[in-house]
Amino acid sequence: SYEVTQPPAVSVSPGQTVRIDCSGDALENQYASWYQQKPGQAPILLIYKDSEGPSGIPERFSGSSSGTIATLTISGVQPEDEADYYCHSPDTGGFSGVFGGGTRLTVL
Amino acid sequence: EVQLVESGGGLALPGRSLTLSCEASGFTFEDYAMHWIRQSPGKGLEWVSGINWNSGRVGYVDSVKGRFTISRDNAKRSLHLQMNSLRAEDTAVYYCVKAALSREAAGQLVNWFDRWGQGSLVTVSS
Repeated sequence: SYEVTQPPAVSVSPGQTVRIDCSGDALENQYASWYQQKPGQAPILLIYKDSEGPSGIPERFSGSSSGTIATLTISGVQPEDEADYYCHSPDTGGFSGVFGGGTRLTVL
Repeated sequence: EVQLVESGGGLALPGRSLTLSCEASGFTFEDYAMHWIRQSPGKGLEWVSGINWNSGRVGYVDSVKGRFTISRDNAKRSLHLQMNSLRAEDTAVYYCVKAALSREAAGQLVNWFDRWGQGSLVTVSS
């Protein structure tokens, strides 16, 4: 079955830039989306269509994609960005959805 | 304001059934696909099932095929998940989730998700 892979954890100091990669074969022809989840809360949409940001999302969050790799970039990380981040990709035909295992961001 | 309110969670014995419901408001429910996404305690997100705007297209993760059934009632603005033959590994918070693209733009069952409910906890244990 289709799998999406992302690193389990990253850490960064405030003000620095962090990049989280997401790998999946279907990303060649499907859009990646990214979700932020803080403890005890439902996830929220951060990035869709690889690089679009919904209204209300700070501009320090950006996305990109090349081939089978999608990347979430957080520029100028803030302490409140400490959270779990999930990449999502539909399978090749868009019949099902697959999330990466999640990346826990720690702000040092 | 979009609101998605889940109900029906609780404790169930292995092998038994439970039905989750989701009441939607704040958007034209009949125009959007809807999904159930779950999260086991301390684990990541897992897409469980989706249904398109007119119930003509449904999808399930392999682990629930043949056991779970998704349905919707556009007149009542509600989404449901009938869960049969429950297993311990079905224990999770189940989120009702709105698709981002309306029926004209969607093109496929799954794209991305723009609104999530607060979730309903299902515990399967003897």
